[in-house]
Amino acid sequence: EAQVTQNPRYLITVTGKKLTVTCSQNMNHEYMSWYRQDPGLGLRQIYYSMNVEVTDKGDVPEGYKVSRKEKRNFPLILESPSPNQTSLYFCASSLGRTGGLGTEAFFGQGTRLTVV
Amino acid sequence: DAKTTQPTSMDCAEGRAANLPCNHSTISGNEYVYWYRQIHSQGPQYIIHGLKNNETNEMASLIITEDRKSSTLILPHATLRDTAVYYCIVRVAIWYSGGGADGLTFGKGTHLIIQP
Repeated sequence: EAQVTQNPRYLITVTGKKLTVTCSQNMNHEYMSWYRQDPGLGLRQIYYSMNVEVTDKGDVPEGYKVSRKEKRNFPLILESPSPNQTSLYFCASSLGRTGGLGTEAFFGQGTRLTVV
Repeated sequence: DAKTTQPTSMDCAEGRAANLPCNHSTISGNEYVYWYRQIHSQGPQYIIHGLKNNETNEMASLIITEDRKSSTLILPHATLRDTAVYYCIVRVAIWYSGGGADGLTFGKGTHLIIQP
């Protein structure tokens, strides 16, 4: 089954404790991205990657890092989490950039992160 | 990307067709209309997209007006599981281009409530 898998689904952590949210897709997609969703602000893109070793900033990259060492994986790293990073996070993948034929995005089930 | 306008919420009786409108009066010739939905805090799910012609798949139909300034998503036989927020997104049909944030712009969408 084609899917985007995120782990963990829920995470509570303390300020400053480094954490990684993993994302894996099994569709051989080139394009992967991370979003955060906050009430009243909708979904906002954090980082995206157009292929292995190619990453770029989205709308809200501050406080986050990503890496793309393999095509299928795109982990989101919070080196020093702060309470304002409490949010619902989604990983997405698509065949190419999300525009045009065949480039619809597939989203993971989300990771609800709470930083206290 | 062109801006879209959708009603905040709509109700529909179970078993009836749900018709969700979207205005995109500033759409340009190379922009597609995409529809996604998000069922309560789950990852957004792709539904359908189109450029000029009406489109149909196993989930829904998309009707785009001749001037392309508006469109309607039709769920032919709505079920309770179709209760969700539906997002209409207009997106340039590009494969790769350089620079800048690249994410899908999710507005507030339409909260569709299917009534039993």
